Amino acid sequence: SQQGEEDPQALSIQEGENATMNCSYKTSINNLQWYRQNSGRGLVHLILIRSNEREKHSGRLRVTLDTSKKSSSLLITASRAADTASYFCATDEAGSSKLVFGQGTRLTINP
Amino acid sequence: DTAVSQTPKYLVTQMGNDKSIKCEQNLGHDTMYWYKQDSKKFLKIMFSYNNKELIINETVPNRFSPKSPDKAHLNLHINSLELGDSAVYFCASSQDWSGNTIYFGEGSWLTVV
Repeated sequence: SQQGEEDPQALSIQEGENATMNCSYKTSINNLQWYRQNSGRGLVHLILIRSNEREKHSGRLRVTLDTSKKSSSLLITASRAADTASYFCATDEAGSSKLVFGQGTRLTINP
Repeated sequence: DTAVSQTPKYLVTQMGNDKSIKCEQNLGHDTMYWYKQDSKKFLKIMFSYNNKELIINETVPNRFSPKSPDKAHLNLHINSLELGDSAVYFCASSQDWSGNTIYFGEGSWLTVV
């Protein structure tokens, strides 16, 4: 079953603006991960946030996790054309080894 | 020095044929996976192996048979291919099966005609 659902499905912004993508999930989790997929390529891991963490930073990326609302957000600051890609959240249900992906947000950065 | 490599990258074949996709990882990971990504970009796990043993088998038709000769290799054999099998198949690996970061291959684009 699909666990994470990203919102919006597609996002188009101007270079330099910030991009925010959201992910909602249904069950208790151990951790939540965000991945990026460039067109025609495999997924690349961006950041992992554990269920006992609320916020994490990595370069221009900021991830938040609200376990009470079962949601996470990925913020990309000062976007660049190279950030154009699909972004997926993935969760592992507590007690399960399975990592389940959402359908992704297609982000387009316009120069 | 590609971490997870899979072959072939592109495969076009006729309905009813049997085909295989090979995957190898040089990361020393214990766990390997096959994922299927459909035309809507939905990524769904098919199989997972940990140290050559099957640990996840997600309601996949038995025409799909994974084989793991050792923990660095996980091949996918598909019998009697159907039009609906057309998709991108991703091999992946992780250090172990406890929800760690997954490293993906570049994908194999399968088109069944």
